[in-house]
Amino acid sequence: AQTVTQSQPEMSVQEAETVTLSCTYDTSENNYYLFWYKQPPSRQMILVIRQEAYKQQNATENRFSVNFQKAAKSFSLKISDSQLGDTAMYFCAFMKHVAGNTPLVFGKGTRLSVIA
Amino acid sequence: EPEVTQTPSHQVTQMGQEVILRCVPISNHLYFYWYRQILGQKVEFLVSFYNNEISEKSEIFDDQFSVERPDGSNFTLKIRSTKLEDSAMYFCASSLGGQGGTEAFFGQGTRLTVV
Repeated sequence: AQTVTQSQPEMSVQEAETVTLSCTYDTSENNYYLFWYKQPPSRQMILVIRQEAYKQQNATENRFSVNFQKAAKSFSLKISDSQLGDTAMYFCAFMKHVAGNTPLVFGKGTRLSVIA
Repeated sequence: EPEVTQTPSHQVTQMGQEVILRCVPISNHLYFYWYRQILGQKVEFLVSFYNNEISEKSEIFDDQFSVERPDGSNFTLKIRSTKLEDSAMYFCASSLGGQGGTEAFFGQGTRLTVV
């Protein structure tokens, strides 16, 4: 079974600064997908960024980027130029790569507070 | 932009009562999911649904739970006899599927409170 671990329950960052959220996972699969989801106070789950394990290049989406280290099974999220609207719970998630789709396995989340 | 919609946003029910949580997935999506999140805890998978049948379910999804796609647009989760521990946020999600790893779009959730 796959597991996802987020070791930082809470973090805070000053507005405009950079913050990195950690995620490690355990799997015996070679092909899989990794995701970061954001859950603001409204509670809706919003996809932030996605990484395919077979791609060596780290995914980026505007101010969000990942550091994917496949051998170390590490998938951290970097948020640059933090904004107040980035305040949310952030969940790291894993999905096996099989035909069709498989469920997401989530970590426990990191609560990020951006401070003005 | 298409979105997953869930109703109601909040439901309060007596222990032992049946509840039905409703979801309208994105229209061209093929895979449908229910997840739950007990307050302060991580999001947990309940069940996935494809081609009008359950494709995968977790240990949480016992005989008290059932899912249905009654009319080709709605996707429902029924809890037959609610327990206090069923109190949680329930999220519906859908994805296009195909090659796998496609983005799951989540609804805004239904907060279920069992009293």
